[in-house]
Amino acid sequence: GQNIDQPTEMTATEGAIVQINCTYQTSGFNGLFWYQQHAGEAPTFLSYNVLDGLEEKGRFSSFLSRSKGYSYLLLKELQMKDSASYLCAVRRITGGGNKLTFGTGTQLKVEL
Amino acid sequence: GAGVSQSPRYKVAKRGQDVALRCDPISGHVSLFWYQQALGQGPEFLTYFQNEAQLDKSGLPSDRFFAERPEGSVSTLKIQRTQQEDSAVYLCASSTYGDEQFFGPGTRLTVL
Repeated sequence: GQNIDQPTEMTATEGAIVQINCTYQTSGFNGLFWYQQHAGEAPTFLSYNVLDGLEEKGRFSSFLSRSKGYSYLLLKELQMKDSASYLCAVRRITGGGNKLTFGTGTQLKVEL
Repeated sequence: GAGVSQSPRYKVAKRGQDVALRCDPISGHVSLFWYQQALGQGPEFLTYFQNEAQLDKSGLPSDRFFAERPEGSVSTLKIQRTQQEDSAVYLCASSTYGDEQFFGPGTRLTVL
């Protein structure tokens, strides 16, 4: 089976830094993805990690430790438009392709 | 259009009606996925196509759900005899081999 855990809600201040954690248990691990989803909209791709370490992409960075089953998404210089749900998703190698298993999402609220 | 498109965007059905949801993937993307997203939850995998072949349908919740992609491009998700528990947003995503999935805006299905 698979289990993906991430906090339900987080609140942060504009201009600050926030870290959203994700832990997972899975077999056939083939990468971890972070998506951003604004209310009523499609998830949009933020980052991808398949090897251990930090991937930086502008204001967003993502970290992966495969041995610990742990990832985090780091958002710097927070802006009001960053208020959204952040979805952690694990990709597994299966007989039929590389499907994603999502966590329930972390609802981030950015305040003034 | 450069992105994944879905139609209709909103669908209201009476309990027991059949519905058909359409997905137009990004041109050239061989992989196509359907997900179901309940309110406040992450997307849950339903089924996966590689070109016209349905390689994984392990997430379809019952035999009332059927998906097809006859020419390896457009896909249709059909739900027969809809029930209230089928109310959700149905997301379609496409990708090239092994890359990130690009999501469409979804179809919000409400079963009365």
